[in-house]
Amino acid sequence: DVVMTQSPLSLPVTLGQPASISCRSSQSLVYSDGNTYLNWFQQRPGQSPRRLIYKVSNRDSGVPDRFSGSGSGTDFTLKISRVEAEDVGVYYCMQHIHWPHTFGQGTKLEIK
Amino acid sequence: EVQLVESGGGLVQPGGSLRLSCAASGFTFNTSWMYWVRQAPGKGLEWVANIKPDGSDSYYVDSLKGRFTISRDNAKNSLYLQMNSLRAEDTAVYYCVRDGGQQWGQGTLVTVSS
Repeated sequence: DVVMTQSPLSLPVTLGQPASISCRSSQSLVYSDGNTYLNWFQQRPGQSPRRLIYKVSNRDSGVPDRFSGSGSGTDFTLKISRVEAEDVGVYYCMQHIHWPHTFGQGTKLEIK
Repeated sequence: EVQLVESGGGLVQPGGSLRLSCAASGFTFNTSWMYWVRQAPGKGLEWVANIKPDGSDSYYVDSLKGRFTISRDNAKNSLYLQMNSLRAEDTAVYYCVRDGGQQWGQGTLVTVSS
């Protein structure tokens, strides 16, 4: 199985400050069609996960532009330019090119 | 508005069975891959199974093969998960998920306990 490794696992951030989460995969996530199938999800406390970013860097509808995704191959990053209180929760990366699809362990973002 | 509404969870004894259902609306169900993802209490997300749009093929996490079966009825815009020989470690919230994780249901809790 493809292992997705996130860091850090805990991320205390001051309101208004930037935050960055790394996700590394044990195999390349580039498909034969040229796309890279790496998504990012946010799970707020008590809620279902919500997709933020698909195919590395594409923001889903309604996602604030302070969220951005980048990376290639096996190394990816989710950045929040200025953390707001509503960003508290757990963030997961996920690959869906190899079966079984796999998630990172999750990064818990909290306000310092 | 896209909606995925799961049902069928509950308390079941070890070795028992449950069938989860997911009612989909607001998108073209019969052209969408569909998935089940689960989350044990206080834990992360685990992909369980997925099924092609026409239902002709499905994929499972190795550890669940033979016990869980994913299926769909495109005429009813519904997704199912038949779970047999349930174990305590299957206790989790089970989410119905659309293609690539673009939409998630609210989840249904399955508790396996005597």
